[in-house]
Amino acid sequence: SYELTQPLSVSVALGQTARITCGGNNIGSKNVHWYQQKPGQAPVLVIYRDSNRPSGIPERFSGSNSGNTATLTISRAQAGDEADYYCQVWDSSTDVVFGGGTKLTVL
Amino acid sequence: QVQLVQSGAEVKKPGASVKVSCKASGYTFTSYDINWVRQATGQGLEWMGWMNPNSGNTGYAQKFQGRVTMTRNTSISTAYMELSSLRSEDTAVYYCARGGSSSEDFDYWGQGTLVTVSS
Repeated sequence: SYELTQPLSVSVALGQTARITCGGNNIGSKNVHWYQQKPGQAPVLVIYRDSNRPSGIPERFSGSNSGNTATLTISRAQAGDEADYYCQVWDSSTDVVFGGGTKLTVL
Repeated sequence: QVQLVQSGAEVKKPGASVKVSCKASGYTFTSYDINWVRQATGQGLEWMGWMNPNSGNTGYAQKFQGRVTMTRNTSISTAYMELSSLRSEDTAVYYCARGGSSSEDFDYWGQGTLVTVSS
């Protein structure tokens, strides 16, 4: 079965750039989607198909995907960006797969 | 605006079944798949399966095969997820989510329904 690996936590100073990685075997050949989830709330799609932002998502959120690693980048991090972030792909053998999630802390 | 509104919290005994509803509005219900994702307290997201509201076709994660059933009522734009033979490990928040433009992502989510399984 296909697995996605995320760091448990990432910290970033206010106003700096945060990078959250998502590792998987040849993940560069798949479409990666990213979700933000704040405590007590439903997830929100922030990046789809590697690097596309849905309407209403700030340009500070961007994504890339190559080789065995996909990356969600949050520029000029704000206190409101503190949340759990999940990557997700569709795999032919296991259908939908989520990463374990990364807790982003803005210092 | 697109909205997915789910039914309220449930408390069930082990061995029972639960049926959660997800009412869609703001778009054509039959044009987008509905997926179900659950999340135990303090844990990550776990995909359960999908349903095509137009055809009624479904696909379930292997883990839930035989225990989950996804259905719909197109006349009221509502999707349902029924999970049977409940056990304590099924205690979680259950979300419905609309399949997005890429057909692989989930662009709108319901507010979640807490299902508690306890004797």
